[in-house]
Amino acid sequence: DGGITQSPKYLFRKEGQNVTLSCEQNLNHDAMYWYRQDPGQGLRLIYYSQIVNDFQKGDIAEGYSVSREKKESFPLTVTSAQKNPTAFYLCASRWEGSEQFFGPGTRLTVL
Amino acid sequence: AQSVTQPDIHITVSEGASLELRCNYSYGATPYLFWYVQSPGQGLQLLLKYFSGDTLVQGIKGFEAEFKRSQSSFNLRKPSVHWSDAAEYFCAVGTLGTNAGKSTFGDGTTLTVKP
Repeated sequence: DGGITQSPKYLFRKEGQNVTLSCEQNLNHDAMYWYRQDPGQGLRLIYYSQIVNDFQKGDIAEGYSVSREKKESFPLTVTSAQKNPTAFYLCASRWEGSEQFFGPGTRLTVL
Repeated sequence: AQSVTQPDIHITVSEGASLELRCNYSYGATPYLFWYVQSPGQGLQLLLKYFSGDTLVQGIKGFEAEFKRSQSSFNLRKPSVHWSDAAEYFCAVGTLGTNAGKSTFGDGTTLTVKP
């Protein structure tokens, strides 16, 4: 089955630690996106990538980093510089001309 | 800059009643509009989309939406709500080819269905 997978589903991190969230898609989509979702708020764009080895900052990139070494993969690292990282993180992808397709999300909790 | 407003944070309807969720957008060109649904702890699922053509679009699960350019609105409707429709609903405006296909999302409307 084609789709987007995110792992892990739940992630716990101690303050001061970096953590990496995985996003993989087998839909052959060129573009991929990372969003952050907080209660009562919509989705806010963190980073996006239109092609391999290229990515751009979204609206709230501070404290996050990404890489796009393969078309299928777009991992997100939440660094210790992110002041309030506890949130639900969603990955999405699309081909040109389509809507975005979303993964199931990762809930990150900082202890 | 594009923006989306969902005026209703929370709506409660009785099972079997009709539903309308409001969405207003601001966008400088022809908008591409979407409605997504999200169950707790899950990702977003596309209900329907408007790209061009007929302004009344049909989606999955019996939902429909009407694009009204003069009112900058894209309201979601369902004639008879089922208990399984309880979820959070997001309206989004976006681009397809330009601007990297980015979408802007509203803050969502939480739907509660009373038995």
